[in-house]
Amino acid sequence: SQTIHQWPATLVQPVGSPLSLECTVEGTSNPNLYWYRQAAGRGLQLLFYSVGIGQISSEVPQNLSASRPQDRQFILSSKKLLLSDSGFYLCAWSVTDGNTIYFGEGSWLTVV
Amino acid sequence: AQSVTQLDSQVPVFEEAPVELRCNYSSSVSVYLFWYVQYPNQGLQLLLKYLSGSTLVKGINGFEAEFNKSQTSFHLRKPSVHISDTAEYFCAVIKYSGAGSYQLTFGKGTKLSVIP
Repeated sequence: SQTIHQWPATLVQPVGSPLSLECTVEGTSNPNLYWYRQAAGRGLQLLFYSVGIGQISSEVPQNLSASRPQDRQFILSSKKLLLSDSGFYLCAWSVTDGNTIYFGEGSWLTVV
Repeated sequence: AQSVTQLDSQVPVFEEAPVELRCNYSSSVSVYLFWYVQYPNQGLQLLLKYLSGSTLVKGINGFEAEFNKSQTSFHLRKPSVHISDTAEYFCAVIKYSGAGSYQLTFGKGTKLSVIP
């Protein structure tokens, strides 16, 4: 069966520091991968999605970037964090052309 | 453009009572609809989905939802709730964004609180 893991689960970072959140999917090949953010009062927002290695689409202009160095690995990064980057970040996956999206456990980011 | 409206931000209900969480959608094309549940400090778990076929969809944990095209609704129901159902519930609609990828549009969520 397929599983998705993301880490770290919790992160407290100072303003201006870099960020790296990592997500991996097991048990499937060539998945679609997604990064969502859940911030207080703003619901769930799609940040990035990827349909293949090196292919990244950005939905919202922001201080963050994403990369997909391997088929089942998706990384969310920032060079300099802002206070407004705080939130709950969720990685998700689906099969290619799949209409059902499955989520990871989430990562809490607090920028102080 | 697609959108999802969850009409109640919070729903308190007594244990063993029935519950209905309301969801309305707007879309100019055929839709796929989903309900996800989020327990405190956890990710989203798929409860159920409607893709086609029978308009009454059964999901995990005793939940079910009914797709009503004329009313553009996809309300979630459970005949008897348990304390463990306390969570936030998200309704979502999916659209095909091209190149083999789908994207979810979520409602703002409904927090279900089950009172002992």
